[in-house]
Parts: sequence; structure tokens; C-alpha cells
Amino acid sequence: DAGITQSPRYKITETGRQVTLMCHQTWSHSYMFWYRQDLGHGLRLIYYSAAADITDKGEVPDGYVVSRSKTENFPLTLESATRSQTSVYFCASSLAGGGEQYFGPGTRLTVT
Amino acid sequence: GENVEQHPSTLSVQEGDSAVIKCTYSDSASNYFPWYKQELGKGPQLIIDIRSNVGEKKDQRIAVTLNKTAKHFSLHITETQPEDSAVYFCAVNNFGNEKLTFGTGTRLTIIP
Repeated sequence: DAGITQSPRYKITETGRQVTLMCHQTWSHSYMFWYRQDLGHGLRLIYYSAAADITDKGEVPDGYVVSRSKTENFPLTLESATRSQTSVYFCASSLAGGGEQYFGPGTRLTVT
Repeated sequence: GENVEQHPSTLSVQEGDSAVIKCTYSDSASNYFPWYKQELGKGPQLIIDIRSNVGEKKDQRIAVTLNKTAKHFSLHITETQPEDSAVYFCAVNNFGNEKLTFGTGTRLTIIP
């Protein structure tokens, strides 16, 4: 009963490098979400997905790419990392789009 | 789009006293109002939610009240305990929308 997991938990990368954050859920939830958490901004939605092969932009999508080839996985890629992308990233899933969301433990990303 | 304001950003209360956190929202069509608690180093977790056809909901020491006319809702924690120390987020949704809009968070500290 793993629930929702994220990897890695901590990552340090350099400006300009590509980095992928992984998210995996075992509940077969239709919806999955990526948020970033920054002091003073709360949780801001980056991208979300209603089902496999269906993704849509959130509030702050620039500089990020997502894919969802399988229901259980929703990776987030920073194609060319910038220092402004230093943040804590949370993945979440839900059975219904507007209902209760279940969050993963987060990935702390530092871009130097 | 929906705009959610949350106050205060930080709150310190003596153990045993009550804590109140308030959120206001802009979209009068919003009809789902959850509250999430985030403990240090973890992802947010739903603690209570309320729908627009209900004015108040209680769960032990936690209650949420909703004033749809004024477009605000509040989280009330009574008889606070050290384990209540965390960051609390309100969120809002209209069930025609697939996404939650989160407030910016309140850091609650319980003083022993």
C-alpha cells in the first residue's frame, strides 16, 4: 500500500541541466497534479492530467514539461533548469478532478 | 479565475487556546471548501472539508464555517495541542472545475 511516492526526495542540479522528477501512485486515480511550493506563494499548480495522455497547463507551466503514458506515473521535466525553479515540488492525485487530493512527500530541488 | 486570500500568514497561540484561520474567495459559484494540514517535511493532508449547502461542519476539535453571502470560510481549532503546529492551507473549487485553488498558507505555532 505505497499510495503516492515521489523520487528523488532531494536533488541538486546546475543551471541549464535537464532534470526529471518522478511521481507514482498505486490507487489508479484518474487525476494527477504537480505543484510547486514557495514561501509566500503557497501551492501553485504547474500542470495536471485528467487521464493517461491528457495533460493541461496550470498557473505556472513555463519551463516545465509533463507526460502521462500510464495512469500511475506522471513525471515532471525541467528541460533547462533555472535558479527560479529552486522549490519544493509536490505531486498529488485524486479520484475526481475537483475533490480531495492526496499529496506525495515532495521533492526539494535546488538549482545552482 | 478564482482568487483565494488566506489570513493570517502566521499565528501563535498558547496551548489549550483556540485558533482561527480565515479565507476569502472571489467566485460566487464555488461550492467545495477543503482545509489541508502540512506537517514539517511532509505533503499536505486533508483534515476537513465543507460543501456549499452546509454552513458548519465539526470533527472533534476542528470545525469549518462557511458564509457564502460574504464569500469567506474559516477553520477553527479548539483546545490546541502541540501536534497542531503545522502549516494550514485552505482551498476552493467549483465542481465544474477540475482544479483546486489554494490559499497561501498559515503557519500555526502552539506555544507550550
